[in-house]
Amino acid sequence: DQQVKQNSPSLSVQEGRISILNCDYTNSMFDYFLWYKKYPAEGPTFLISISSIKDKNEDGRFTVFLNKSAKHLSLHIVPSQPGDSAVYFCAGRFASGANNLFFGTGTRLTVIP
Amino acid sequence: GAGVSQSPSNKVTEKGKDVELRCDPISGHTALYWYRQSLGQGLEFLIYFQGNSAPDKSGLPSDRFSAERTGGSVSTLTIQRTQQEDSAVYLCASSPSVTSTDTQYFGPGTRLTVL
Repeated sequence: DQQVKQNSPSLSVQEGRISILNCDYTNSMFDYFLWYKKYPAEGPTFLISISSIKDKNEDGRFTVFLNKSAKHLSLHIVPSQPGDSAVYFCAGRFASGANNLFFGTGTRLTVIP
Repeated sequence: GAGVSQSPSNKVTEKGKDVELRCDPISGHTALYWYRQSLGQGLEFLIYFQGNSAPDKSGLPSDRFSAERTGGSVSTLTIQRTQQEDSAVYLCASSPSVTSTDTQYFGPGTRLTVL
């Protein structure tokens, strides 16, 4: 039962434009959401996170938006750069217990120079 | 400083054989997590350690899977009598603690192929 879903397996964007990666979740008990970026043959690298009490978190070119009523979050990258080309995973986390991450299936972003 | 390391990077084995995967977490990190990513799937949580203990083993897919951690550092994931559906990339992550805001740092993974 997939609690975090990324319905777009791939996305292509022109360099300099905005990339918007979407993520939906089903469990309203998630306390924290994270985005990870993964290059081939490497482990996922933490990118940005957001607490469930916030609706926006910004870090440089990366902004994550959270819409709790819609159980939806999105990652905006602007301006997109060729080095951003990677697979992006959305993940949710509970406040207690193991605090393991529940991952989506990922979206492959390709930024075209 | 060194990140999370895993060995081997690739492992090819025959169905029915046992395999052992190793994870070296970041020094000082008390929490250690094992995940796997099967083809076309997201990362699936398997087990976590707080220190040397694993309070929750419910994520392990079958009793052929076991894991241990000694000295609060290195962890091994053992798969007995491997099956083809065990083929996946096995990822290890560590974090300073199990606090929900602590970032998990991932290793490069071990790609397991069961023939």
